[in-house]
Amino acid sequence: NAGVTQTPKFQVLKTGQSMTLQCAQDMNHEYMSWYRQDPGMGLRLIHYSVGAGITDQGEVPNGYNVSRSTTEDFPLRLLSAAPSQTSVYFCASSPKGRATEQYFGPGTRLTVT
Amino acid sequence: GQSLEQPSEVTAVEGAIVQINCTYQTSGFYGLSWYQQHDGGAPTFLSYNALDGLEETGRFSSFLSRSDSYGYLLLQELQMKDSASYFCAYSILTGGGNKLTFGTGTQLKVEL
Repeated sequence: NAGVTQTPKFQVLKTGQSMTLQCAQDMNHEYMSWYRQDPGMGLRLIHYSVGAGITDQGEVPNGYNVSRSTTEDFPLRLLSAAPSQTSVYFCASSPKGRATEQYFGPGTRLTVT
Repeated sequence: GQSLEQPSEVTAVEGAIVQINCTYQTSGFYGLSWYQQHDGGAPTFLSYNALDGLEETGRFSSFLSRSDSYGYLLLQELQMKDSASYFCAYSILTGGGNKLTFGTGTQLKVEL
């Protein structure tokens, strides 16, 4: 099993550009989520999904969209990048009934100039 | 409101025992989790407490007191590789499932 994979690992965007951060898991996990982590901060929940076709907002959803068309994939779309979205983005997944035990991907380091 | 508090930094000696405390304030509390993150790495799950009491996993133990809104992570026989950030996170149950809220983390430095 590859676990949770994220692409790209690094990305530089100009203000106003859009892009999609990819996340996939091969563990047949029901629950998937996106977090951002800023220096010296904890992880803040952006969006999460409890299964294919079901998504909900987290703590900091503005400027981001998600969809969950399959169990395996949970892409995060930045609609119009802003410098405030410079951060490290982590995708995580967890098995059914164990959303508190999350498995994290390696992260995407995004810089918006 | 909702909040989590944990010390920003803790220093301990190799071979010692260290306790990282976490207090929380939220409605709809479901449980408390602990995660470890090395510099430049991804968080990894350590432990979860849904009920009051102590959970032991090897050198790591986690404790929860729901009545005190308090928990701690106990690391025994500290090793240099334990130098990392440790995050507590509470979960609440919503219509969309469990949601985790993370604290800002405790940087643990293990010295010789």
